[in-house]
Amino acid sequence: DAGVIQSPRHEVTEMGQEVTLRCKPISGHDYLFWYRQTMMRGLELLIYFNNNVPIDDSGMPEDRFSAKMPNASFSTLKIQPSEPRDSAVYFCASSLERGSLGTEAFFGQGTRLTVV
Amino acid sequence: AQSVTQLDSQVPVFEEAPVELRCNYSSSVSVYLFWYVQYPNQGLQLLLKYLSGSTLVKGINGFEAEFNKSQTSFHLRKPSVHISDTAEYFCAVSETFGNEKLTFGTGTRLTIIP
Repeated sequence: DAGVIQSPRHEVTEMGQEVTLRCKPISGHDYLFWYRQTMMRGLELLIYFNNNVPIDDSGMPEDRFSAKMPNASFSTLKIQPSEPRDSAVYFCASSLERGSLGTEAFFGQGTRLTVV
Repeated sequence: AQSVTQLDSQVPVFEEAPVELRCNYSSSVSVYLFWYVQYPNQGLQLLLKYLSGSTLVKGINGFEAEFNKSQTSFHLRKPSVHISDTAEYFCAVSETFGNEKLTFGTGTRLTIIP
């Protein structure tokens, strides 16, 4: 498997524009997570899905952020409108259903977002 | 809710010296524990994990960690570091039941001095 695939790797956009980040999880994984990494706050969980259903979106900073998972092989994180404080590295991760062997999350390479 | 504390934000170590990166967690339920490594401009990669059983866990690249329930700690160790170990290291915890999410510490930047 190619692992978790995120696109684009880098995105530079102007304030006020819509930004869409994409993620393809590892085939067969049941969970998908979106994290944001900044120097100030470290790694923050934004939202996660189980079998394409959003389970916990309490980490989504505000209504400008939205995430969808239309099928098991694709998810998007959208920011509309974007602001300079949204600049960060956004990671997508996926994992199997937790069982007796526990679970680990596999991370993508991340999307570095810069809002100017 | 669970939380993770990594007290050391930066740790400089001479090459071939031993290193210990500290991690303490807080949770009202039993947990799984993980250490991830992040190399520059890369995603996170799993180093090792504790699920159950032996409290000493061995991972990749010669790293190991010991789960201490009484001290709620999961410190990461390596007896002899290499230049290639320069990276950021994250400790993480998830509940064994209930919420699936992984909570991360703030990370420790390990710098190897030649």
